[in-house]
Amino acid sequence: QKEVEQDPGPLSVPEGAIVSLNCTYSNSAFQYFMWYRQYSRKGPELLMYTYSSGNKEDGRFTAQVDKSSKYISLFIRDSQPSDSATYLCAMERGSTLGRLYFGRGTQLTVWP
Amino acid sequence: DGGITQSPKYLFRKEGQNVTLSCEQNLNHDAMYWYRQDPGQGLRLIYYSQIVNDFQKGDIAEGYSVSREKKESFPLTVTSAQKNPTAFYLCASSDFGATTGELFFGEGSRLTVL
Repeated sequence: QKEVEQDPGPLSVPEGAIVSLNCTYSNSAFQYFMWYRQYSRKGPELLMYTYSSGNKEDGRFTAQVDKSSKYISLFIRDSQPSDSATYLCAMERGSTLGRLYFGRGTQLTVWP
Repeated sequence: DGGITQSPKYLFRKEGQNVTLSCEQNLNHDAMYWYRQDPGQGLRLIYYSQIVNDFQKGDIAEGYSVSREKKESFPLTVTSAQKNPTAFYLCASSDFGATTGELFFGEGSRLTVL
């Protein structure tokens, strides 16, 4: 079993839809949870960062972490065609700063 | 502009040849990383380095080698021992002093073995 599981999609939604992206994990030592966005043929860039359980909101994006269920989510409200990208979840134990474990990535297309 | 520069962007190699991918950063970050990305498999860690002249194997180090002679540079050599080297390679760096441990990525190098 991989430490981080993520459905690769692809996911295709109309503009304005609410998008839900999810990851599950098996290692309870993970403390830091991140979402990276990767446009085609580019390197990933950090989108959201959360420490431990809880919610974090940034504009149209909301990240949720449920450590009891080992489940994290990213919600995108009012999705735009510019949100079309691959979204990667990533996790870190904290004791090995920078040593991230990535999900497979979910490819999202938002059509106008 | 601060960032990470990877070169070349595209590289073709014949089987049996070694090839070196360049990674340079001007962010003054201590740590640098090499990841491999294959379709549908996410990012897998090849090697990482936390300080100059020191580096550790990641999850898929076999067939690869690295060096860290300067803080700014972390080149990756894909050797002929790597059985399936065709992939997208990403270099990253991070600042240990940062709260998030965020990785900053380069734009990647796409290696194709003919």
